[in-house]
Order: sequence, then C-alpha cells, then structure tokens
Amino acid sequence: SQQGEEDPQALSIQEGENATMNCSYKTSINNLQWYRQNSGRGLVHLILIRSNEREKHSGRLRVTLDTSKKSSSLLITASRAADTASYFCATVGANSKLTFGKGITLSVRP
Amino acid sequence: DAGITQSPRHKVTETGTPVTLRCHQTENHRYMYWYRQDPGHGLRLIHYSYGVKDTDKGEVSDGYSVSRSKTEDFLLTLESATSSQTSVYFCAISEVSRGPDTQYFGPGTRLTVL
Repeated sequence: SQQGEEDPQALSIQEGENATMNCSYKTSINNLQWYRQNSGRGLVHLILIRSNEREKHSGRLRVTLDTSKKSSSLLITASRAADTASYFCATVGANSKLTFGKGITLSVRP
Repeated sequence: DAGITQSPRHKVTETGTPVTLRCHQTENHRYMYWYRQDPGHGLRLIHYSYGVKDTDKGEVSDGYSVSRSKTEDFLLTLESATSSQTSVYFCAISEVSRGPDTQYFGPGTRLTVL
C-alpha cells in the first residue's frame, strides 16, 4: 500500500510562477525523496531530505519536511515549460525500501 | 545516467505465455529492483536483489519470479502472463556511494498482455 500521498493530483501554472506540491505519509520515516518523471520515461531522483532535516535546497527546488505533521512540500520556483512532468514523493522507512505515492501531474504553460 | 538498460522496451503477448524482462547495468551496483507502474497506483515494488543470487519479494510479487546470476543482470519472469500484468515495468539500482536509499531508474518496458 502507498505510504506517501501527494496533493494536488494535478497542477497547472503559468511559466515563471512557483509550483508547490505536498506529500503526506503515515508511518515514521528515515528519509523522504522526490522524483520527477517525464512522459514515457523513467523516474529521475530530484532531492532527498532526512528525517532530522527541516529544509533543503537544490537549484530551483526547495523541500521542507515536518515530521510532526508527517508531511513534506516541494517548491519549484520560477517554473519553466521543461518542468512539465509527474512528480512523486517516496518515503524510506526502517526497511530501506522506497514506497511511492501516486504522483502529481504538473503542467507549466508557456 | 546510471548505465541501466531494459529489454525489450515494448512487448505484446498473449495470456498464458511466459515473459522475461531483462535489466542490465554497467556499473556494478549491488542493489537492483523491479517495479510496476499503473495508473492510480504509482510505482509498486515487485522484487529486489541485494546481490548475486540474493533476492526478496516486494509488495506485489505474486505471479512474478526473478533471477540474478550475474551482478549486471536482473531478470523478471512472468511464468504465465495475465491481463492484470499489463503495465509499465521499471528496473532501478541503488548506488551505495551516493546513499543506498536513492534509486536510479531505467527507461521502462511497456508490457501488454492480451
């Protein structure tokens, strides 16, 4: 069964706007990761945040983690048409296995 | 690019036939995984391997078997394919040097069972 659940399921924004995606999970985790999947391709790892971290940055990506609320958010700043993709959060628990959510479809309009 | 290839990339087969999907990696990674991706379900782990001849079941292993006789190859077999196994199958590897929990994915195999 899925551990992470992303919200919203779909998001459409204008190029240059920021995109915020949320992920909630149910059990304790070691870390939480975000992946991107372009249409017809495999998943690409974007960023990992450990359970003892609250915020992490990578280029235009900002990830936050609130373990008390069991939630994470991914912010993409100054979005581009090339950011159009599906985004998945994945949690890692004590068994070191990734458990994926169902994904968020992001469309960035030029 | 973690040097992962999958073959075939597309396959159409009939119910009841055996099917083997191959995942090949070029960089000697210890951990390899097979997932399936279906609309409304995200990715679900089928089987994984933590070394040659060391494999274990994932969340949705029924109807699938795997083998890993060489570090570079991880095979997924559907002994008798069913229509419910129509899916996109992804292989992934973990790269211990970058953190064992981060996975790198192959391009996928689209399997249709008629």
